[in-house]
Formats: sequence, C-alpha cells, structure tokens
Amino acid sequence: KAGVTQTPRYLIKTRGQQVTLSCSPISGHRSVSWYQQTPGQGLQFLFEYFSETQRNKGNFPGRFSGRQFSNSRSEMNVSTLELGDSALYLCACNRGEGWGYTFGSGTRLTVV
Amino acid sequence: AQTVTQSQPEMSVQEAETVTLSCTYDTSESDYYLFWYKQPPSRQMILVIRQEAYKQQNATENRFSVNFQKAAKSFSLKISDSQLGDAAMYFCAYRSRSGGGADGLTFGKGTHLIIQP
Repeated sequence: KAGVTQTPRYLIKTRGQQVTLSCSPISGHRSVSWYQQTPGQGLQFLFEYFSETQRNKGNFPGRFSGRQFSNSRSEMNVSTLELGDSALYLCACNRGEGWGYTFGSGTRLTVV
Repeated sequence: AQTVTQSQPEMSVQEAETVTLSCTYDTSESDYYLFWYKQPPSRQMILVIRQEAYKQQNATENRFSVNFQKAAKSFSLKISDSQLGDAAMYFCAYRSRSGGGADGLTFGKGTHLIIQP
C-alpha cells in the first residue's frame, strides 16, 4: 500500500514569503498531524486534523496554519517566513485510537 | 504538560551485540501510549515498537523489546543482535490517551545509535 506522501521534498524560500506544504495520508487514515523538526528544538507538534477539523495546535504563532480536505489530504501554510522557520516538516497519519503514527519523508524548508 | 527525556545523546555498540537506549517521561496521566521511532538518514520516521500504559507486559518486536516501568516512568529500548541497518536516530515518544490523543506525540531529543562493524 502507498505510504504517506509529502510534497515537495525540498523548498527554498525568501524571508517574508509564504509557503504551502502538502501531505497525502495512507488511504483510510483520517487523522493527520504535522511536526517541525530542527536541530535546536527537536521534534515539535504543530497541529492535528481529523475529519477536516483541527483538534489541537501546538505552541506556534498564528503564521502557521493548516487545513484538511474531505479526502483527508492536508496542507500546512506558513506566512511571512522567518529564518527560524527553516526546518524539516513532517506529516504523520494515524489509523485510529491506539495505533502508531506513520510518517512521511518530510519537506525540507530552507528560508534565506 | 508531558515531557520526555532521553539522557544519552549518542550510543555506540559493536555489531551483533546488545544495546539499551534509555527514556524517561513525566506525566500526571495514567493512560497513555509510548513509542520508539527510528529515523535513519533518509529522514523518514519509522515506528519500532509501541506500548500501551495499561498493559503490564513489555512489548516485543523481533530483536526489539522494551522495559516499561510505569511507576518509575521509564521506557527503555533494548536492541539485540545489533545490525548495521540499526544505525539511526532513535526517538522516544509519548501520546496521551485522553482527548483522543489530539495533542499529538511528545518526543524526546533523540539518541544517535552508531553500530561498529
């Protein structure tokens, strides 16, 4: 079966721009969450979606937003990019309560 | 808020030997899940093993097993017969069971495992 697909794999943006990252979960997995991974802060929870509803959001500024579509695909958007937003952004999906998360390979965002 | 601590930034082990990675966590909840994830240089996080807090029996997956000590809030990972392909960053993670786990996973800082041939 297909895994979690994240696009693009790599992205270079300029400070002040905005960016949209995409995540297509495994078929049938309705929960999608996003994580930011940096060398300094490690892995941090951004937000989680289930059936097109945001269930919770981590401690990130309002510049970080997301959404989920009816086919469970999810996008996250970062506006007014800052140098500190450079990170690996990981998407994960979950089959349901009690199951482990399956991760995508991530999008490497570099802000210059 | 829950916290997860991995006190070993880096571990090294000879191929075919056994290594144990440590993880402790802090929570006021009684019902939760614990996970070990592996992240090789390819970047993809791979689930190694999961443990349900209400199950006393330690989880096992082939060469990987855990020592879950709920009272001590400890969740260590033992890798037996280490193989070169085990080299990676290993992350311990916590997920609350309350609220459907909507807070996502809380990760430790990771342990870099090196396998010496």
